[in-house]
Amino acid sequence: DSGVTQTPKHLITATGQRVTLRCSPRSGDLSVYWYQQSLDQGLQFLIQYYNGEERAKGNILERFSAQQFPDLHSELNLSSLELGDSALYFCASSGGLAGSPYNEQFFGPGTRLTVL
Amino acid sequence: GNSVTQMEGPVTLSEEAFLTINCTYTATGYPSLFWYVQYPGEGLQLLLKATKADDKGSNKGFEATYRKETTSFHLEKGSVQVSDSAVYFCALILMDSNYQLIWGAGTKLIIKP
Repeated sequence: DSGVTQTPKHLITATGQRVTLRCSPRSGDLSVYWYQQSLDQGLQFLIQYYNGEERAKGNILERFSAQQFPDLHSELNLSSLELGDSALYFCASSGGLAGSPYNEQFFGPGTRLTVL
Repeated sequence: GNSVTQMEGPVTLSEEAFLTINCTYTATGYPSLFWYVQYPGEGLQLLLKATKADDKGSNKGFEATYRKETTSFHLEKGSVQVSDSAVYFCALILMDSNYQLIWGAGTKLIIKP
C-alpha cells in the first residue's frame, strides 16, 4: 500500500460526458502528479501540483483540468469525453521540495475510465 | 530531446532464468535514473534508482548500474520467480525538465513455472 488513494476505481461513462477523478496523496506529501496510461500511448505525464499551485504541465488536453485543494487532495476533471480517453489514470505523490530528484513518487492504484 | 528507450516485450522466461531488460537514455545533462515495476492490477512502485554515474541501484534481487559512457541502465536479476511477472518501466529525471519523470514504454515480463 503506497498510501496514495484514488477514487473511484472504475468509471464507465458515455462520450461527451464529464467526470471527476479524485486523489489523496500520502500524508505530508506536497506534490501530486497525474498520469494517463493507455495501450497505444503508454504512460503519459499530464500535470503536477505542488502545495496547491500548478508546477508543470505535460501532455494534458485542453478538455482536461486539475486542481489541488488546501487539504492537498487533488481532482482531475475530464470533459467532453471521447472514446480515446479510455485509459487508466494514475495519481502519484512525493514529499519535500517539489521536483527534488531524490523524491520518490508514490503511485495510487489508478482509476480505470471507460468511455462508451 | 530527452528520452528513454526500453527493449520491447513481452519477455518470456522460465523460473530461475537470468533476466536482462535493456534501457538506454538520451539526456542533456546528468539525469537520475529509475526502474519502476507495475504488478497486474496495481499502480507503479519504485524498484530501484541511481543518481550518478557508476552508482548501482538494487532491490529484491534486481540490480541496475548507471553507465554514463553507454547511456544505459539495464535491469538484471540472477534468478527470476513467477512473482516477478510484471511490467517494468525505466525512467529518468532531469533538473532541466523541471524534474519531470521521462518514461520508457515499459517491458512486460512473463515468467513461466
